[in-house]
Amino acid sequence: EVQLVESGGGLVQPGGSLRLSCSASGFTFNIYTMYWVRQAPGKGLEFVSGINNKGDSTEHADFVQGRFTISRDNSRNTLYLQMSSLRPEDTAVYFCVRENYYFANWGQGTLVTVSS
Amino acid sequence: EIVMTQSPATLSVSPGERATLSCRASQSVGSNLAWHQQKPGQAPRLLIYGASTRATGIPARFTGSGSGTQFSLTISSLQPEDFAVYFCQQYIDWPRTFGQGTKVEIK
Repeated sequence: EVQLVESGGGLVQPGGSLRLSCSASGFTFNIYTMYWVRQAPGKGLEFVSGINNKGDSTEHADFVQGRFTISRDNSRNTLYLQMSSLRPEDTAVYFCVRENYYFANWGQGTLVTVSS
Repeated sequence: EIVMTQSPATLSVSPGERATLSCRASQSVGSNLAWHQQKPGQAPRLLIYGASTRATGIPARFTGSGSGTQFSLTISSLQPEDFAVYFCQQYIDWPRTFGQGTKVEIK
C-alpha cells in the first residue's frame, strides 16, 4: 500500500523558514516524479513544486519566486520542501503527491501557518 | 498555463439522484484529465484518470467522460459518502493545474 506521510509543518513568523518532509513507502520511490501541492484554508488546490525521479530536474510555481527548494533523498525514500521568506499567504496545508502521469496518491498533509 | 474551469461551484442533490459535474480546459489536454474527490478534513483522493478510467477501488457509479477541452464527471446515484468537493486536474502540461472545485452537497 502506498503511504505518504508529511511532517515539519507548524507556526512560523513572516520571513521565517521551515522544512517539510514526506516519508514514502509501499512503492519504488526512485522511479516516480513527486510534487508538493498546497491548499489554503477554504480554498482550492495549488501546485507548488515538482521534482523528477532522479532529483536533477525541478519545477516551481511562479509564486515561489526562488523562496522554496524541492529536493529528495532516494536512499531515504523522502521528499523535502525547504521554504524560506515565508509570507502570510503561504499559510496552507501542504500535500505530498506521487505522480504516475496523473496525481495518483496523496499524503494527509501538514499545516503551515505563517503569522506573527 | 492551462486554466481549468469547473461548473457549477455548488451542486445540491438528493441522495439517490444523479449528479453531473463539468470541467473545461482553456486549451486541449487530450485525455490527460483526472478527477479527485476531497472530503472535509481529508486529503484528496484520485477517482478518475485518463478522463474516463476509474482508479483502483472506485465504484462504478462514478463515470468520467470527455476529451480535448470539455469533460464531465457523473455520479449515477449519490450515496451519503459521495457528498464532497470534486476537483479536475490536467497533467498534459507544466504546471499541473486544477479547477476550483465543485461542492456536491445534500439537498
